[in-house]
Amino acid sequence: DQQVKQNSPSLSVQEGRISILNCDYTNSMFDYFLWYKKYPAEGPTFLISISSIKDKNEDGRFTVFLNKSAKHLSLHIVPSQPGDSAVYFCAASRTGANNLFFGTGTRLTVIP
Amino acid sequence: DAGVIQSPRHEVTEMGQEVTLRCKPISGHNSLFWYRQTMMRGLELLIYFNNNVPIDDSGMPEDRFSAKMPNASFSTLKIQPSEPRDSAVYFCASSLYREVNTIYFGEGSWLTVV
Repeated sequence: DQQVKQNSPSLSVQEGRISILNCDYTNSMFDYFLWYKKYPAEGPTFLISISSIKDKNEDGRFTVFLNKSAKHLSLHIVPSQPGDSAVYFCAASRTGANNLFFGTGTRLTVIP
Repeated sequence: DAGVIQSPRHEVTEMGQEVTLRCKPISGHNSLFWYRQTMMRGLELLIYFNNNVPIDDSGMPEDRFSAKMPNASFSTLKIQPSEPRDSAVYFCASSLYREVNTIYFGEGSWLTVV
């Protein structure tokens, strides 16, 4: 059973506009969430994270929002750039655990 | 500082053959993970080790899959015999113990079983 779900396999946005990638989770024990970015032929790389004690974390053009009651998080990229085109994975963990549960990924294409 | 190193990067093999994937974690990291990427399940955890000891292998799909970590700087994932449905990208990752924000991935091993 997939504990972390990314229901949109792909997303296309125009350069300069906002990209919103969504993620849902089912395990209420998860309290730490991460987004990874993956380019073709490379491994995933860490992008941004958020703890459940927060509802927002911002790092430059990237902001992650967490809605604990809805078990939902989203990644906002503003403004989107062609170099942001990649597959984005949402991941979740819980305090004391030593592994991450990943979603299926969303392929973002930013059109110049 | 070198990252997680995986080999081979690409492997094409015939059904029934044994496949061995190799991983060298980041020096100083004491947790190691093997993931498999598929379209249907995304990044799926197969097994992970803490201090060279396998902790959770519940993600290993079948007895055909086995993993070892003989020392802190080397791990293998073996598939014997291989089947076409094993075709996927296999990632190795390492981290500091219980610090998931320190998980770093290798570049992956692309396996094709024909």
